[in-house]
Amino acid sequence: DVKVTQSSRYLVKRTGEKVFLECVQDMDHENMFWYRQDPGLGLRLIYFSYDVKMKEKGDIPEGYSVSREKKERFSLILESASTNQTSMYLCASREIGTGPYGYTFGSGTRLTVV
Amino acid sequence: AQKITQTQPGMFVQEKEAVTLDCTYDTSDPSYGLFWYKQPSSGEMIFLIYQGSYDQQNATEGRYSLNFQKARKSANLVISASQLGDSAMYFCAMGSGAGSYQLTFGKGTKLSVIP
Repeated sequence: DVKVTQSSRYLVKRTGEKVFLECVQDMDHENMFWYRQDPGLGLRLIYFSYDVKMKEKGDIPEGYSVSREKKERFSLILESASTNQTSMYLCASREIGTGPYGYTFGSGTRLTVV
Repeated sequence: AQKITQTQPGMFVQEKEAVTLDCTYDTSDPSYGLFWYKQPSSGEMIFLIYQGSYDQQNATEGRYSLNFQKARKSANLVISASQLGDSAMYFCAMGSGAGSYQLTFGKGTKLSVIP
């Protein structure tokens, strides 16, 4: 089975810190995604990547950046963490050509910014 | 722009009964897909069922079926014979666009199954 691993399940950071959320997938998927999940708001797309070194903004990219230097790893970066970025972050990957069935999600990182 | 609306923040159902979770959508794309995901308290997103916009038949996967009414732009999830393990958040999502197939999610419905 495809596995998407998010490095931390829970993370607590201070306001102003630079934060890295890591996501690794083990099945050579081309597409990778970062979502943010908040109660009452569902999941919102922050950034996605079609392939290595490629990135596209999603619906809420402000305050975030991403890095994809290797195919298996997609990092979400909070340049200067703020309390309004306290949230659950979900990573997903998908193989091109699998149509709608190819999505696999990680278990999420619950980030608290204090 | 795509939009998914789930109007039920929370639902209760008796064990062994059927339940319908509502989902309406809006898109200008002629080709799209509709998904339902389950998210238990552990956090992972579990794919349940998919309906393509050109599919003639309603999708079914075991106890899950999708009541697709294209003219009304609705894609309701029906869970038959509810089980305690069905208690979770349920998200309706839409995907379209060649290549990346980005998903747009609704706000979710929290389903609680009562013994």
